[in-house]
Amino acid sequence: GQQLNQSPQSMFIQEGEDVSMNCTSSSIFNTWLWYKQDPGEGPVLLIALYKAGELTSNGRLTAQFGITRKDSFLNISASIPSDVGIYFCAGPPVGGYQKVTFGTGTKLQVIP
Amino acid sequence: NAGVMQNPRHLVRRRGQEARLRCSPMKGHSHVYWYRQLPEEGLKFMVYLQKENIIDESGMPKERFSAEFPKEGPSILRIQQVVRGDSAAYFCASSPGGQETQYFGPGTRLLVL
Repeated sequence: GQQLNQSPQSMFIQEGEDVSMNCTSSSIFNTWLWYKQDPGEGPVLLIALYKAGELTSNGRLTAQFGITRKDSFLNISASIPSDVGIYFCAGPPVGGYQKVTFGTGTKLQVIP
Repeated sequence: NAGVMQNPRHLVRRRGQEARLRCSPMKGHSHVYWYRQLPEEGLKFMVYLQKENIIDESGMPKERFSAEFPKEGPSILRIQQVVRGDSAAYFCASSPGGQETQYFGPGTRLLVL
């Protein structure tokens, strides 16, 4: 089956620092999605990417769709305590219809 | 405009009982998806439904699990004769149709004693 590997698995950062995380796949994706999950809640969509090479921002978040279509990156600038949570990349691979595959997640802890 | 609603939020069952999880999609959404999340893991696709039709159930165990999305009312994920390994968070998502952007509900946390 499809696999999405995220790195790092977890990270502790100081408030105000920038954060980078990435997601790689063994197969090509047409769409990349980045979700954030707070403890005890469902994932919330942060950014959607639809085109190879696309760079999209949402406030302090910036995500890029890798040109190989097998990877994506998420950056968070000037982190704040409420950025704490688990960040998942996801997407339906080519021919994957609506069956979205989720990555393994990056757990972010922000130290005030 | 209410988001995806799931109930109950928490469900406790003893081994061998049945669990029924409900999902009401966002208004105007006719596509529903169910996912399962084990502790410290990502979400795993289970089943994709449109009104009155199961489109893809390739992620759902063949036995004890079933899903429906009737013409009227919420989508139901039903687990018969639950076992301890069924303990997990079950999330429902919905989309308007034919699009990749799925919006998730808050989940139902099932605990099997």
